[in-house]
Amino acid sequence: NAGVMQNPRHLVRRRGQEARLRCSPMKGHSHVYWYRQLPEEGLKFMVYLQKENIIDESGMPKERFSAEFPKEGPSILRIQQVVRGDSAAYFCASSPAGAEETQYFGPGTRLLVL
Amino acid sequence: QKEVEQDPGPLSVPEGAIVSLNCTYSNSAFQYFMWYRQYSRKGPELLMYTYSSGNKEDGRFTAQVDKSSKYISLFIRDSQPSDSATYLCAMSGAGTASKLTFGTGTRLQVTL
Repeated sequence: NAGVMQNPRHLVRRRGQEARLRCSPMKGHSHVYWYRQLPEEGLKFMVYLQKENIIDESGMPKERFSAEFPKEGPSILRIQQVVRGDSAAYFCASSPAGAEETQYFGPGTRLLVL
Repeated sequence: QKEVEQDPGPLSVPEGAIVSLNCTYSNSAFQYFMWYRQYSRKGPELLMYTYSSGNKEDGRFTAQVDKSSKYISLFIRDSQPSDSATYLCAMSGAGTASKLTFGTGTRLQVTL
């Protein structure tokens, strides 16, 4: 009965590199959400995806960030040309269809940009 | 002004005490109210979920929602050292149930 899985758990990148964060939802969940947690701040919504569809990306920065949830495989959050300000914990959550408010979170990926 | 306000603490209580954690919010459209527990360097764990106003009890935990005051609470009875964590309130429903808005969290320390 695996929960939400994220990898890698820790990721170090130099400025200008790309970061790819992966998320596999709980079994039976078809909806995925990404949140970012900056030090001393609360979790901030980034994007909500269903299989092959972006439903709400109102929290995504306009540039360098993208997300996908393909028909097969995990959801990917991609950050191009990372900057130091991207250093944060990125959490993925999932929910079953029809229960979008009950979201179960993964352990997070901690991104450090040098 | 933040949509959701939460006292960051830290809140330190002795083992066995009753703990009261609170959040206030400004958006009257919120309908779903959640409490998460987050241990250091871990992901948030869903503790309680309430729809609209009222109380909900689960073991040692009780969640209360007062929509007229825009105020929600989480009570922990017979607190244990293992309850030491950061508690996050979250809410949604302002146009969409899927976009959770979180408080910044209250750090709780239960001492022996």
